[in-house]
Amino acid sequence: DTGVSQDPRHKITKRGQNVTFRCDPISEHNRLYWYRQTLGQGPEFLTYFQNEAQLEKSRLLSDRFSAERPKGSFSTLEIQRTEQGDSAMYLCASSLSGPPTSFYGYTFGSGTRLTVV
Amino acid sequence: AQSVTQPDIHITVSEGASLELRCNYSYGATPYLFWYVQSPGQGLQLLLKYFSGDTLVQGIKGFEAEFKRSQSSFNLRKPSVHWSDAAEYFCAVVGRGGSQGNLIFGKGTKLSVKP
Repeated sequence: DTGVSQDPRHKITKRGQNVTFRCDPISEHNRLYWYRQTLGQGPEFLTYFQNEAQLEKSRLLSDRFSAERPKGSFSTLEIQRTEQGDSAMYLCASSLSGPPTSFYGYTFGSGTRLTVV
Repeated sequence: AQSVTQPDIHITVSEGASLELRCNYSYGATPYLFWYVQSPGQGLQLLLKYFSGDTLVQGIKGFEAEFKRSQSSFNLRKPSVHWSDAAEYFCAVVGRGGSQGNLIFGKGTKLSVKP
């Protein structure tokens, strides 16, 4: 397994355009998470999936943001009508779920850096 | 509200000197605790984690961290810093239990190493 893959690594887009990012998790991981990281800040949680179900969304995830994981494998994060404030690193992570007493840890991808000009 | 505080935004140490990065958390019950490292333009690499048991945990690259319940702290230490340790370090927590969805990060501490 090659870990969590994210594509593209970098994206420059004009304000108002739509962008889509892809995340391929570790194959046996059933949970997938999206985070956003702006300069000088720690990653902020956006949303997560267990299999194909989106179980939690942050208030940071405005109406312009949508995430999918249609077959419980890869996930896409789309931002519509991008704004300059969307410029950030978008990180994906995956993990296994288990009983409440267990924890399997998160594996992060290298991220997609978005620049909105 | 649940939160993680890393009080030092930027720390500079000399190569070979010891290092301690501070982390305090606010959580309803003892969460799972992590330290991650991030090099410029890269993703996050797990250094170490605390789930239960021995409060002094060893990680990769010679790092260790000590969990102190009474102080709600999980400070990261290294006895002798190498130039390659220059990076940003993040403390993070997640609640125990079945959800485990929302990993909460501190704002990070940037470590510079001078020769």
